[in-house]
Amino acid sequence: GENVEQHPSTLSVQEGDSAVIKCTYSDSASNYFPWYKQELGKRPQLIIDIRSNVGEKKDQRIAVTLNKTAKHFSLHITETQPEDSAVYFCAPAGDSSYKLIFGSGTRLLVRP
Amino acid sequence: DGGITQSPKYLFRKEGQNVTLSCEQNLNHDAMYWYRQDPGQGLRLIYYSQIVNDFQKGDIAEGYSVSREKKESFPLTVTSAQKNPTAFYLCASSISGRWGAADEITEAFFGQGTRLTVV
Repeated sequence: GENVEQHPSTLSVQEGDSAVIKCTYSDSASNYFPWYKQELGKRPQLIIDIRSNVGEKKDQRIAVTLNKTAKHFSLHITETQPEDSAVYFCAPAGDSSYKLIFGSGTRLLVRP
Repeated sequence: DGGITQSPKYLFRKEGQNVTLSCEQNLNHDAMYWYRQDPGQGLRLIYYSQIVNDFQKGDIAEGYSVSREKKESFPLTVTSAQKNPTAFYLCASSISGRWGAADEITEAFFGQGTRLTVV
């Protein structure tokens, strides 16, 4: 089955610094690569996604980059703010399975 | 509020009792999912359903059961066979679950979760 790994499991940065979270997957048929954010006590919500025909996508301070050959994609957050503190999950998927499998999550702490 | 509702928010049960968690969506989504989240851990897939009257086991289905008799409803029963049922349970839905379809909205929408405590 699909094997999804996220690194690091925790990340602490100073406000204003950048943060990068990496997601590695095993299913070569994956062609959809989303990132979800879960704030403390709240439900996960989609923040950005990318498809395999695109190498990078940006939305203001967040971006996702994809390396399909190496089977990994990354979430980049620039100019981090305290409200970016949350747990971030990747969930690579494709038509090989209707499952939606999430990575183990990365807890990001932005220190004021 | 996202169109997917879980109830109740908090649930307490005695050990050995079965308990059913409710999940209802009015988004007209075909696909629905149940996840378990333990403190400081990720989302683990329990069961998923692509269409009414059909569902599949996820990675941790033992001790759980589901039904999908209506498109809008996907209840999860935590049975007495589940060894460690205390956890946070999240329900999600998506339009079709066809994640590779570039012409579809592929976002998964989550309910607010049910925190189950078994004493």
